[in-house]
Amino acid sequence: AQSVTQPDIHITVSEGASLELRCNYSYGATPYLFWYVQSPGQGLQLLLKYFSGDTLVQGIKGFEAEFKRSQSSFNLRKPSVHWSDAAEYFCAVGAPSGGSYIPTFGRGTSLIVHP
Amino acid sequence: EAGVTQSPTHLIKTRGQQVTLRCSPISGHTSVYWYQQALGLGLQFLLWYDEGEERNRGNFPPRFSGRQFPNYSSELNVNALELEDSALYLCASSPKGSGANVLTFGAGSRLTVL
Repeated sequence: AQSVTQPDIHITVSEGASLELRCNYSYGATPYLFWYVQSPGQGLQLLLKYFSGDTLVQGIKGFEAEFKRSQSSFNLRKPSVHWSDAAEYFCAVGAPSGGSYIPTFGRGTSLIVHP
Repeated sequence: EAGVTQSPTHLIKTRGQQVTLRCSPISGHTSVYWYQQALGLGLQFLLWYDEGEERNRGNFPPRFSGRQFPNYSSELNVNALELEDSALYLCASSPKGSGANVLTFGAGSRLTVL
């Protein structure tokens, strides 16, 4: 079975600083990988996804992520963080199950942005 | 286009009671997924419905059940509520047959069990 590890429970950055959120997955083949963001009181919004092809994936809100097979990682990056980026970020891996790819989520990383 | 809608948004129950949560998927989506988001535990997969059938379920006891209606809306039922059932219950939908499904989530139903 697949699994996802987000080693950082909380990350604090200053507004304008760069950001990298870590994600490691465990799966025997090339998985489908996702990053979602959850603002307080909201559901999850898809930031970006990787299915195949170029290992550097661009998403919404200026986010990008890089798939590194050798490290089983899919880290999320942003060059300059805005205060509105403060939220909970979830990495997910999708592997086939009963004809669908049901995503398994990490426990999330809470991003705190200081002015 | 309306997104995934869930009701109620908040509810409080006591131990032993039963609860029903409702979800309306995006128009045209046939698959509905239910996740439990308990504090500090991330999202735990509960159930997947597609075209009215339960296709898969996560590692939860049988008192968690649900169904999907012909219009693809769905209900999640939890019987004999326990304190640890307190969580945000998220519903998501996706189109049929898209393989690597991208889920669109609702805002959730927050259940508090006292």
